[in-house]
Amino acid sequence: GAVVSQHPSWVICKSGTSVKIECRSLDFQATTMFWYRQFPKQSLMLMATSNEGSKATYEQGVEKDKFLINHASLTLSTLTVTSAHPEDSSFYICSARQFGTSSSYNEQFFGPGTRLTVL
Amino acid sequence: EDQVTQSPEALRLQEGESSSLNCSYTVSGLRGLFWYRQDPGKGPEFLFTLYSAGEEKEKERLKATLTKKESFLHITAPKPEDSATYLCAVEPPGNNRKLIWGLGTSLAVNP
Repeated sequence: GAVVSQHPSWVICKSGTSVKIECRSLDFQATTMFWYRQFPKQSLMLMATSNEGSKATYEQGVEKDKFLINHASLTLSTLTVTSAHPEDSSFYICSARQFGTSSSYNEQFFGPGTRLTVL
Repeated sequence: EDQVTQSPEALRLQEGESSSLNCSYTVSGLRGLFWYRQDPGKGPEFLFTLYSAGEEKEKERLKATLTKKESFLHITAPKPEDSATYLCAVEPPGNNRKLIWGLGTSLAVNP
């Protein structure tokens, strides 16, 4: 149980194009999904928190117009990197928190990540 | 300021050589402490959640413990397949559900 998928697993694009990354919770409903970015040999950096049916909350320093997040359903959130540039190249990981108010629903389950390379 | 510190930064063990990883935190009213394992090029894999001081959880060769200021991840008789980065995160009180992450401990187990 608690499986999260991401698609695509890797993508290479030209500078100036937009890239969409999908995050799905496969066997549970996720009221909250998180998007992280990770640089080589560094820990996870939270970019934004996404709640189903409402606008995402972005962390300080993250451009919301550049990283568009849509959480359209309880099982799907998307991150679109608009007008990508080489400095946006990174490993993007989503996580999903299971729906519920019990303390047993505190865990975040992570997707396998998407490696973005912008040429 | 809420903070999570993991030590050591890197650890190299021989197969079968037991050891412990440390995660210390400065968070008031801890909502939960989480341990994850991350392999290169993959997303973190959930291991344990601990909620209160004195709590312990086990899974195969791993055991996680929690006090009011720190958590330990004990690895008993490790195998080369236990090699990975182990991440610790805490959830402070509040409604935003954000986690505060440590920088991780990179563990290498030599055969």
